[in-house]
Amino acid sequence: QSVLTQPPSASGTPGQRVTISCSGSSSNMGSNFVYWYQQFPGSAPKLLIYRNNQRPSGVPDRFSGSKSGSSASLAISGLRSEDEADYYCEAWDGSLSGPVFGGGTKLTVL
Amino acid sequence: VQLLESGGGLVEPGGSLRLSCAASGFGFGNYAMTWVRQAPGKGLEWVSAITGGGDNTYYADSVKGRFTISRDNSKDTLYVQMNSLRVDDTAVYYCAKGPSYSDYDWFDTWGQGILVTVSS
Repeated sequence: QSVLTQPPSASGTPGQRVTISCSGSSSNMGSNFVYWYQQFPGSAPKLLIYRNNQRPSGVPDRFSGSKSGSSASLAISGLRSEDEADYYCEAWDGSLSGPVFGGGTKLTVL
Repeated sequence: VQLLESGGGLVEPGGSLRLSCAASGFGFGNYAMTWVRQAPGKGLEWVSAITGGGDNTYYADSVKGRFTISRDNSKDTLYVQMNSLRVDDTAVYYCAKGPSYSDYDWFDTWGQGILVTVSS
């Protein structure tokens, strides 16, 4: 059981806009930044969004993040087949004194 | 910036294993480092962290008292000594770089991961 809650799956067609949600509590997302990671099968996670809505260099601007209260979303616009991957949200949890992750969302491009 | 894990393998329940993570391409001693694991088919779980100078260490409750994180800044290498291993410690273990000397609340660079299998 993950501390942060994500839908197990999401899907969209090429060119579409897709959003992936992540919900937490006051001890984690409600009071700290949210981060998003992208993971392809058999590969390591890669930082996609940091501090709620910042993109590391090299991440396309098709990817965007937002946060409101104890919930956050990752949006992917102009969906491409190469976006098919698992996406994880993460935040610091003050009660647990450590980073916590969502269970991951498997994105399928139809 | 590169992180390369080694030392994984098959170990029996109750056994021990030490993982290493060789870092290159950045000022290793200036950054906190962490271990994050992923059980087969499951999500990510933070395991342990250590500050840049090795002065402070942190552990998830699931491994506290069994795992010990350490680093050798002269060799740009991170370690985790895993004792009293259990079947549910089976996972791919990733080393990951924190954003600063003492912060480990997010991870900007990840290694490729190393598989640890605990089974009789």
